Amino acid sequence: DVKVTQSSRYLVKRTGEKVFLECVQDMDHENMFWYRQDPGLGLRLIYFSYDVKMKEKGDIPEGYSVSREKKERFSLILESASTNQTSMYLCASTPYSSYEQYFGPGTRLTVT
Amino acid sequence: AQKITQTQPGMFVQEKEAVTLDCTYDTSDPSYGLFWYKQPSSGEMIFLIYQGSYDQQNATEGRYSLNFQKARKSANLVISASQLGDSAMYFCAMREVAANFGNEKLTFGTGTRLTIIP
Repeated sequence: DVKVTQSSRYLVKRTGEKVFLECVQDMDHENMFWYRQDPGLGLRLIYFSYDVKMKEKGDIPEGYSVSREKKERFSLILESASTNQTSMYLCASTPYSSYEQYFGPGTRLTVT
Repeated sequence: AQKITQTQPGMFVQEKEAVTLDCTYDTSDPSYGLFWYKQPSSGEMIFLIYQGSYDQQNATEGRYSLNFQKARKSANLVISASQLGDSAMYFCAMREVAANFGNEKLTFGTGTRLTIIP
């Protein structure tokens, strides 16, 4: 079975802190994605990566950056966390040219 | 740009009844795909069913079927004989070929919260 893991289920950070959310997949998938989920807005794509060291902006990249130094790991970085970044963050992966995305369990981030 | 619309924020359905969750989409691409995902209260996203734009028949997976009406641009999810465990958020999504390297990304709707009543 494909497994996508995220470093934390729940995280509480203060405004202005630098925050790292980690995602690891164990199936050698080329593509990885970061979404945020907010009530009434569904899932919105923040960034995605189709190869090591490659990244593409999604629909809402402002305030975020990403890092993919190894194929299995995709990190989402909040350089200076703000309260409007309080949300559920979901990571997903998929093999190249496949369409089904496999999701991690999500990280619920609260910024106070 | 692609767009997915789910007009039902919430639904309540009696156990064992069939339920239809609505999804309409907008795209100018001739080739696309439509998904339904289930998200229980635990938070994980569970893939349910997929329909390709060129598929001749409606997709089915057990109690789930996708009522694909291409001319109307709708892709409704039908759950037959609903169960208490079907209570969850349901998301419709469309795959879109990204600008570079032919890689895929998904656009999601806002979701429908389905509650099954005993």
